[in-house]
Amino acid sequence: DIVMTQSPDSLAMSLGERATIHCKSSQSVLYSSNNKNFLAWFQQKPGQPPKLLIYWASTRESGVPDRFSGSGSGTDFTLTISSLQAEDVAVYYCHQYYSTPHTFGQGTKLEIK
Amino acid sequence: QVQLQESGPGLVKPSETLSLTCTVSGGSIISYYWSWIRQPPGKGLDWIGYISYTGSTNYNPSLRSRVTMSVDTSKNQFSLNLSSVTAADTAVYYCARHETSNWDSFFDYWGQGTLVTVSS
Repeated sequence: DIVMTQSPDSLAMSLGERATIHCKSSQSVLYSSNNKNFLAWFQQKPGQPPKLLIYWASTRESGVPDRFSGSGSGTDFTLTISSLQAEDVAVYYCHQYYSTPHTFGQGTKLEIK
Repeated sequence: QVQLQESGPGLVKPSETLSLTCTVSGGSIISYYWSWIRQPPGKGLDWIGYISYTGSTNYNPSLRSRVTMSVDTSKNQFSLNLSSVTAADTAVYYCARHETSNWDSFFDYWGQGTLVTVSS
């Protein structure tokens, strides 16, 4: 299984600040034949299902604000929120779909300081 | 707009079988892969397995001995059976669509989730 490890487990930032969440996979999720990283990011608010934010490591889903961005390749990935808004309070998960079983990071809880 | 809705009992007794159905509306079940994912209360996301519209399956090895999935294209539904449940199977169960006709794709649509509690 590919183990996904996120850091930090929790994060408290002020409104307007930049928030950065890291995700590391135990093996590469870069598929060499198409040069794509099989890595997605989800946002989950209490009582709601996860919402897709980013796929292929850096492609923003339609309708997701451009303050959300993803980067990285191979085994190391980052989700950045450029200017934190109150509605961004949530738990964020990375997800690898390179191989089965699909696996998720343990989650990073983002709060407002 | 594609919508997924989980349905099934919210309470299951220990040692019995948990059975859930996911109904897809606003789109066809054909040409996609479909997954079940669960989330124990206060914890993270665990992938249970997927099924294709043709009935091809792949289960998480951690649950493989207890999981069965099926699909009914005429009803635009797919189902999950998890046998011999224990309290550790208490979770919110989600169904989700893979974005393409490949299993190695991300989940673009999710159901709202249904809480299943295992208790006598």
